[in-house]
Amino acid sequence: ELKVEQNPLFLSMQEGKNYTIYCNYSTTSDRLYWYRQDPGKSLESLFVLLSNGAVKQEGRLMASLDTKARLSTLHITAAVHDLSATYFCAVGGLDSNYQLIWGAGTKLIIKP
Amino acid sequence: DAGVIQSPRHEVTEMGQEVTLRCKPISGHNSLFWYRQTMMRGLELLIYFNNNVPIDDSGMPEDRFSAKMPNASFSTLKIQPSEPRDSAVYFCASSIGEGGRLKTQYFGPGTRLLVL
Repeated sequence: ELKVEQNPLFLSMQEGKNYTIYCNYSTTSDRLYWYRQDPGKSLESLFVLLSNGAVKQEGRLMASLDTKARLSTLHITAAVHDLSATYFCAVGGLDSNYQLIWGAGTKLIIKP
Repeated sequence: DAGVIQSPRHEVTEMGQEVTLRCKPISGHNSLFWYRQTMMRGLELLIYFNNNVPIDDSGMPEDRFSAKMPNASFSTLKIQPSEPRDSAVYFCASSIGEGGRLKTQYFGPGTRLLVL
């Protein structure tokens, strides 16, 4: 059974600092997604990672995937207040072409 | 494209009443998902449609919940009768399949349901 674990679940940090959110999953997968959710809002797709070693960057966010370690990271560089949100990873198992297993989310608060 | 459209955005109802949530997927997407999000349980998949056909409804909590997709541009999720524990945010998401795998799921704005 595919399980997804995110950590930390809560992160409070100062503007200008760097930090990393981790997403571990338990069985082989061929796709991993990162989403952002602002309070009271919908989920917005950030990144899709499909292969080992994949790295994608958008502004101050960079996501990477290590399929051998079953680990994805979302790195935040020089955080700014606007990045405050909850970040979810979602992993697709090989036994399903549609089912995504969602992490619990990391609530990120960036203090000005 | 307007994205996934959901209505109503907010719904307050009394226990025992029927609630109908509506969703219009992104044009051209052939897969549609209904999710429920609560603080306690996180994001749960309720039902998945592919080409208007329900493929997986194992997440539907009980017989009080039903979902339909009469055509490619419209789906409903109905709760009858509603109960306070159904209070949650209900999201609809759509996607398109390619190479036997679905691509990114795009979420609607959600319906915030409160059952008193």
